[in-house]
Amino acid sequence: QQQVKQSPQSLIVQKGGISIINCAYENTAFDYFPWYQQFPGKGPALLIAIRPDVSEKKEGRFTISFNKSAKQFSLHIMDSQPGDSATYFCAASNTGTASKLTFGTGTRLQVTL
Amino acid sequence: KAGVTQTPRYLIKTRGQQVTLSCSPISGHRSVSWYQQTPGQGLQFLFEYFSETQRNKGNFPGRFSGRQFSNSRSEMNVSTLELGDSALYLCASSILGTGGYTFGSGTRLTVV
Repeated sequence: QQQVKQSPQSLIVQKGGISIINCAYENTAFDYFPWYQQFPGKGPALLIAIRPDVSEKKEGRFTISFNKSAKQFSLHIMDSQPGDSATYFCAASNTGTASKLTFGTGTRLQVTL
Repeated sequence: KAGVTQTPRYLIKTRGQQVTLSCSPISGHRSVSWYQQTPGQGLQFLFEYFSETQRNKGNFPGRFSGRQFSNSRSEMNVSTLELGDSALYLCASSILGTGGYTFGSGTRLTVV
């Protein structure tokens, strides 16, 4: 019940294209859904996050779409750039009593020229 | 505003030894969590501390322990190191209840 399933494992997108990464969760107690970006040799950096009372959140080129009934959420990266090449992790947490982050397995994104 | 600082950045230890890793959270963040990152298991939660008390613990053996000091700085300790403990150990801090964790760059531990 604590799992967060993430797909695809890897993704190659051309510069200017749209990158889409999907995640699904099981635990309905989760109330916070962040996406993290990680570059080699660095820790994960918070990119954007959403709570389940909102179906979509946009920050610049990054958008989270959230489907509460399907228990799924996704990250869309518009106008993908080579600098976006990194590993992306979705995560979920219950910010109340058990605020630990449960991470997906990660998606390695490569944006080609 | 300074980020989360982890020291040391790299460590090489021998099997059977013990190791202590240090984490200084963002000023004002009193919640500190630790995660282990490996290629095989991904990012796994170790434990979380708030106000010097462990709030939550992941599914790791008792060889993994931690503590938090009154200034919110935290340490984690791994005793009787095994080869499988080789990993990137990440510390994250937050304001309790917000979910917005900020991670440090991690300590890369290699056990030989």
